[in-house]
Amino acid sequence: DTGVSQDPRHKITKRGQNVTFRCDPISEHNRLYWYRQTLGQGPEFLTYFQNEAQLEKSRLLSDRFSAERPKGSFSTLEIQRTEQGDSAMYLCASSLSGLAGSYNEQFFGPGTRLTVL
Amino acid sequence: GIQVEQSPPDLILQEGANSTLRCNFSDSVNNLQWFHQNPWGQLINLFYIPSGTKQNGRLSATTVATERYSLGYISSSQTTDSGVYFCAVSRYGQNFVFGPGTRLSVLP
Repeated sequence: DTGVSQDPRHKITKRGQNVTFRCDPISEHNRLYWYRQTLGQGPEFLTYFQNEAQLEKSRLLSDRFSAERPKGSFSTLEIQRTEQGDSAMYLCASSLSGLAGSYNEQFFGPGTRLTVL
Repeated sequence: GIQVEQSPPDLILQEGANSTLRCNFSDSVNNLQWFHQNPWGQLINLFYIPSGTKQNGRLSATTVATERYSLGYISSSQTTDSGVYFCAVSRYGQNFVFGPGTRLSVLP
């Protein structure tokens, strides 16, 4: 396994369109995270999954955003009715978490850069 | 939630110089990582260090969990060390919080 992969790497869309991003985690990892990073800022947590269960969602994740991780493998992040403020780098990370999050080293994918025109 | 501060926000070094980066956090944590973000946006794992000291070549890090800070050290800096260095922390079972980063520029 070569690490976390994300697809596409770049996406340009027009305001109002829907977009979907995919993340393939490291195969044995049970946790998968989505982050958003805007220019000059650190990554901001959006949501995470433990296997197929979505355990936490940030208030940044408006109702236009939805994430899934069917069968606890890859994950998708969909943004509906995109707005210019959604332009950002969307990062995915995975980890093999210990009991109750006691050990939780994250590994990041290369990100998907979204531009909304 | 946990607050994470990093200092300095910007650092300019001449190649060969040493530097220290600091990460302060507002509550006890059990996960702490240092990352280097390269110019293409990739976050590269440097250290998983919730406590203690680790070294990897010219890089090292120390976390004093009881005093809620971590330090990252770069010795004999090279131009390829340029980029943004992030600290990220989490408490048991909770999401990770990233600091604002330290932007390092190493000049030849």
